[in-house]
Amino acid sequence: GAVVSQHPSWVICKSGTSVKIECRSLDFQATTMFWYRQFPKQSLMLMATSNEGSKATYEQGVEKDKFLINHASLTLSTLTVTSAHPEDSSFYICSASSQINQPQHFGDGTRLSIL
Amino acid sequence: AQTVTQSQPEMSVQEAETVTLSCTYDTSESDYYLFWYKQPPSRQMILVIRQEAYKQQNATENRFSVNFQKAAKSFSLKISDSQLGDAAMYFCAYVYNNAGNMLTFGGGTRLMVKP
Repeated sequence: GAVVSQHPSWVICKSGTSVKIECRSLDFQATTMFWYRQFPKQSLMLMATSNEGSKATYEQGVEKDKFLINHASLTLSTLTVTSAHPEDSSFYICSASSQINQPQHFGDGTRLSIL
Repeated sequence: AQTVTQSQPEMSVQEAETVTLSCTYDTSESDYYLFWYKQPPSRQMILVIRQEAYKQQNATENRFSVNFQKAAKSFSLKISDSQLGDAAMYFCAYVYNNAGNMLTFGGGTRLMVKP
């Protein structure tokens, strides 16, 4: 149980393209989903927290207009990297939890490469 | 603000032997949870073990156990009978009850297992 599916696992695209990453909880309802960014050999950096039906809460330094987050249902959250540039290349990971104080369950991550 | 510190960037252990990974944290809260996550080369985040702060008994999961010292704010992970598949990045993480399940991660420890 507690499976989180993240898609796509790897995407390569040209600079200026917008890229959408999906995060789905397959067998539970995720009241809260989290989006992280991870640089090579570093820890996970929280970008934003999203609750179903409300606007995402972004961490300091994360551009809201650059990283659009939508959490329209209890099983799906999306992260759209708008007008992506090479500096946006990174590993993006989502996680979801069903209720307070339950462990977060992570997706397998998305490797984003912007040429 | 809560912080989590992993003072060992890299650790090495011989196969079948025991290794301990260190983690300290700083918080003014009394009711919280601590986790160890494993991130193998596939970069999937896998929950290894969880500890509730109100429980005095140290959590165990097969070959994995923790030494939770609440007063010292220390939460070390012991891996017994190390296996090649244990080689990974290990992240210590903290969440407190009123944080909406938002995890604070340590910087990670890379564990290498020698055959």
